[in-house]
Amino acid sequence: QSALTQPPSASGSPGQSVTISCTGTSSDVGNYNYVSWYQQHPGKAPKFMIHEVSKRPSGVPDRFSGSKSGNTASLTVSGLQAEDEADYYCSSYAGSHSWVFGGGTKLTVL
Amino acid sequence: QVQLVESGGGVVQPGGSLRLSCAASGFTFSNYGMHWVRQAPGKGLEWVSFIRYDENKNYADSVKGRFTISRDNSKNMVYLHMNSLRAEDTAVYYCTKDWQWASDYWGQGTLVTVSS
Repeated sequence: QSALTQPPSASGSPGQSVTISCTGTSSDVGNYNYVSWYQQHPGKAPKFMIHEVSKRPSGVPDRFSGSKSGNTASLTVSGLQAEDEADYYCSSYAGSHSWVFGGGTKLTVL
Repeated sequence: QVQLVESGGGVVQPGGSLRLSCAASGFTFSNYGMHWVRQAPGKGLEWVSFIRYDENKNYADSVKGRFTISRDNSKNMVYLHMNSLRAEDTAVYYCTKDWQWASDYWGQGTLVTVSS
């Protein structure tokens, strides 16, 4: 149950796109299409943004998109807006009713 | 609308015990799995435990043998019984609803502080 690997930080200017990676192993990210992403603003509970690698729940802007290749999943935020500045966490199902989170990425909108 | 409300957090001495509760509403509780996820101060999210609708359950290695998850479908409640608490268990504990192998709804969290 090792944590997934995310870059500690990412940044972009308003209107630009930024991609955050999430690297796991063949036991989690690489073995299941059950990667999810969460957005967390300071002092708040996380918010559900992406499930099953690339599916957006209703209400999540289509500026947020997810993908996966091998053991690495990615979250892309297009058309960056000031309110997108937050911490982002990936998570993957790891089998036998267990899950693992990434260490989190702090996204800064310059 | 879906609501998850955690309670039971507080300050406890190392080696002590605590029981967290999560009251769920706004959905058919008995049909869904539930998670506990924690976040140490200034740190990232850590999955702690899961209980499926049929009470199949699992735990993170860091809490296995010390924490027990349970549910009461008649009361729409999920619990986390925590024993042999350590300083590294200090965190905000979130109750979440499982949907499509993800946590689609989160409570506001309850803070557990393990300190002498």
